[in-house]
Amino acid sequence: EAQVTQNPRYLITVTGKKLTVTCSQNMNHEYMSWYRQDPGLGLRQIYYSMNVEVTDKGDVPEGYKVSRKEKRNFPLILESPSPNQTSLYFCASSYTTLGQGGEQYFGPGTRLTVT
Amino acid sequence: ILNVEQSPQSLHVQEGDSTNFTCSFPSSNFYALHWYRWETAKSPEALFVMTLNGDEKKKGRISATLNTKEGYSYLYIKGSQPEDSATYLCACGGGSARQLTFGSGTQLTVLP
Repeated sequence: EAQVTQNPRYLITVTGKKLTVTCSQNMNHEYMSWYRQDPGLGLRQIYYSMNVEVTDKGDVPEGYKVSRKEKRNFPLILESPSPNQTSLYFCASSYTTLGQGGEQYFGPGTRLTVT
Repeated sequence: ILNVEQSPQSLHVQEGDSTNFTCSFPSSNFYALHWYRWETAKSPEALFVMTLNGDEKKKGRISATLNTKEGYSYLYIKGSQPEDSATYLCACGGGSARQLTFGSGTQLTVLP
């Protein structure tokens, strides 16, 4: 089954404790992206990756890191989480760049709470 | 960061009614317009991706149109059903073909 998986689905952590949210897709998609969803705001793009070893900042990259060592995986790293990073996070992938008509497939989401 | 606006913010309709929502975006440097359907406790699911002015797409009772010259897209639902209740998101790719900027969504509730 074609899918995007994220782990963990729920996480409660404390300020400053490094964490990684994993994202994996089995569709051989080149493009992957991370978003955060906050009440009253649309999905905001954190980072995206055009292919292996090619990553770039989205609209809200501060406090986050990503890596793309393999095509299928795109982990999101919070080196020193803060309460303002409490949010719902989505990973998404697409077979081509979004501007060329590539629709995105979203993972199930990770609900992160930083206390 | 692009300014993508959706209206209305929320909408209640009766089962069987037809309805439509609007997505407005900057018409300059436009690349693509995406529509997603997001049900509560699920992930956003792609409905349509449109890239050309005048594009019209249809999937069952849902259709969408695109006007890139004036910077808007409409999503239509014909004969709404309770299972159509969801938040409908539009997203615009502009300035960079690699990024999308999402609107805040239109929350549709279809009353039986």
